[in-house]
Amino acid sequence: DVKVTQSSRYLVKRTGEKVFLECVQDMDHENMFWYRQDPGLGLRLIYFSYDVKMKEKGDIPEGYSVSREKKERFSLILESASTNQTSMYLCASSWKAGELFFGEGSRLTVL
Amino acid sequence: AQTVTQSQPEMSVQEAETVTLSCTYDTSESDYYLFWYKQPPSRQMILVIRQEAYKQQNATENRFSVNFQKAAKSFSLKISDSQLGDAAMYFCAYSYTGANSKLTFGKGITLSVRP
Repeated sequence: DVKVTQSSRYLVKRTGEKVFLECVQDMDHENMFWYRQDPGLGLRLIYFSYDVKMKEKGDIPEGYSVSREKKERFSLILESASTNQTSMYLCASSWKAGELFFGEGSRLTVL
Repeated sequence: AQTVTQSQPEMSVQEAETVTLSCTYDTSESDYYLFWYKQPPSRQMILVIRQEAYKQQNATENRFSVNFQKAAKSFSLKISDSQLGDAAMYFCAYSYTGANSKLTFGKGITLSVRP
């Protein structure tokens, strides 16, 4: 079975803190994604990566950056967390086009 | 740009009954994938069913089936013999078939199942 593991299920941070969300997949997938999920807004794509050291902006990249130094790991970084970044963050991976495999999600609260 | 629309935010179904969740999409592509994902409360998002646009036959997975109307750009999910475990958020999603494609999701629908 494909396994996508997100490092933290729940985080509480203060405004201005730097936040790292880690994601690891064990199926040698080429593509990895970070989505943000908010009630009434569905899933919105923040960043994605097609290969090591490659990254592409999604629909809402402002306030976020990413890092993919190894194929299996994709990190989402909030350089200076703000309250409007309180949300559920979902990592996913896929082999080329098609089905995404999701992690369990990281619920971030910024106070 | 591709868009996916789920116009109903919530639906409810009686256990053992059938329910249909609606989804429409907009694209200029001719070859693409459509998906329904399920997200149970506080649990991981999982794939329910997938449809390839070039296939005319509607996809089926056990109690789950789709009604794919390509010309109308409609992709509804039918759940037969609803069970309590079907209660979840359901997301419709679209992806073109390019090698580095990404999924576009609808806003989701919350399905409750009445015992």
